[in-house]
Amino acid sequence: QVQLVQSGAEVKKPGSSVKVSCKASGVTLSAYTFSWVRQAPGQGLEWMGRIIPLLDITNYAQKFQGRVTITADKSTSTAYMELSSLRSEDTAVYYCAWVDGAYDYIFWGQGSLVTVSS
Amino acid sequence: SYELTQPPSVSVSPGQTARITCSGDALPKQYAYWHQQKPGQAPVLVINKDSERPSGIPERFSGSSSGTTVTLTISGVQAEDEADYFCQSADSNANWVFGGGTKLTVL
Repeated sequence: QVQLVQSGAEVKKPGSSVKVSCKASGVTLSAYTFSWVRQAPGQGLEWMGRIIPLLDITNYAQKFQGRVTITADKSTSTAYMELSSLRSEDTAVYYCAWVDGAYDYIFWGQGSLVTVSS
Repeated sequence: SYELTQPPSVSVSPGQTARITCSGDALPKQYAYWHQQKPGQAPVLVINKDSERPSGIPERFSGSSSGTTVTLTISGVQAEDEADYFCQSADSNANWVFGGGTKLTVL
């Protein structure tokens, strides 16, 4: 069973950047992806992008192109999501999701609250 | 952009069957996944690839697909099943797309 542990809550000023981490444990295969999904207060789920660590390939939702960077450290099974030029509308819980490359099972992190406020 | 459509809410009494639908033009070609989210918690995958039930998910949860609609069925609903349910699939670029979510209320 894969478990994901994300970094803690952050409070950021408008215009700044935030970097959230997600460490996977119990990973026994090399073919997997990390996706990042956010949820604004009282809203639904919104996909931001993914990384395939084995191939170091990323793709991003068009909405976040140019503002989000997803990276991964294969040696520690950790993914990172950095969002820049923050605005109040970016206040949300940010989730990482680990996807099994063989069976497509999806495991979620516990979420990281990012609050953007002046 | 590609959209998945779910009803905003479904209500059932305990022991009854709840059905939550999700419609999308690409669903005949792309798998659907269902996630359960209880208040203040992270989502949990309850149905994988249209109809597979992950380990640890109760047997009362099932999924099916027909044309452009996929359905999550919860048989013998229990109070603990009250939650938001999100369908998820992919567009032609393999980007994830989520439905708007359905709030299941157990009366």
